[in-house]
Amino acid sequence: SAVISQKPSRDICQRGTSLTIQCQVDSQVTMMFWYRQQPGQSLTLIATANQGSEATYESGFVIDKFPISRPNLTFSTLTVSNMSPEDSSIYLCSVLPITEAFFGQGTRLTVV
Amino acid sequence: AQSVTQLGSHVSVSEGALVLLRCNYSSSVPPYLFWYVQYPNQGLQLLLKYTTGATLVKGINGFEAEFKKSETSFHLTKPSAHMSDAAEYFCAVSEERGFQKLVFGTGTRLLVSP
Repeated sequence: SAVISQKPSRDICQRGTSLTIQCQVDSQVTMMFWYRQQPGQSLTLIATANQGSEATYESGFVIDKFPISRPNLTFSTLTVSNMSPEDSSIYLCSVLPITEAFFGQGTRLTVV
Repeated sequence: AQSVTQLGSHVSVSEGALVLLRCNYSSSVPPYLFWYVQYPNQGLQLLLKYTTGATLVKGINGFEAEFKKSETSFHLTKPSAHMSDAAEYFCAVSEERGFQKLVFGTGTRLLVSP
């Protein structure tokens, strides 16, 4: 199993600012995934983060808006840049150490 | 590309009644299938998964699901609903072999009444 700690758990931010979300895993994993869950919606993959290389972004998501860092095998950050109210969502970090995906508790972001 | 369809955004049952949450998928390769549960203000928890082998899989909290290739379905069931089962349920399929990124359905909110 894997235990994932995400910080912050929630935040209220002003439009135009940026927020960095941290994801810490209790074991080393090759890939980490960042998802977005908009209000009342399902989860949508933002990007896959590998240690030592640039993140791979899904269609509709760009690095300038969602820069990701992956400095080591247990940690990653996702930054939501130049925020607008449409960015209000839950952001979740996920890992797949073997055959099961584990998720952090999520970061509930509200942009005002 | 793979996709998942969950029929019914909301399902209401009485306590003690059968729970049936529907999930259909599309995939050009044999899929790996998952059901996750999300309680209010919490992250996702794996209920059960199908990878290979037995098509009827049992999960936590009395839930089970059956992989039916001919119907491209992976419906979730529980014989007797409990109030604590009220939550959002997501069906997901792995997009690539080797447990890579997941593609999620739109979710079904289960409501349980006394």
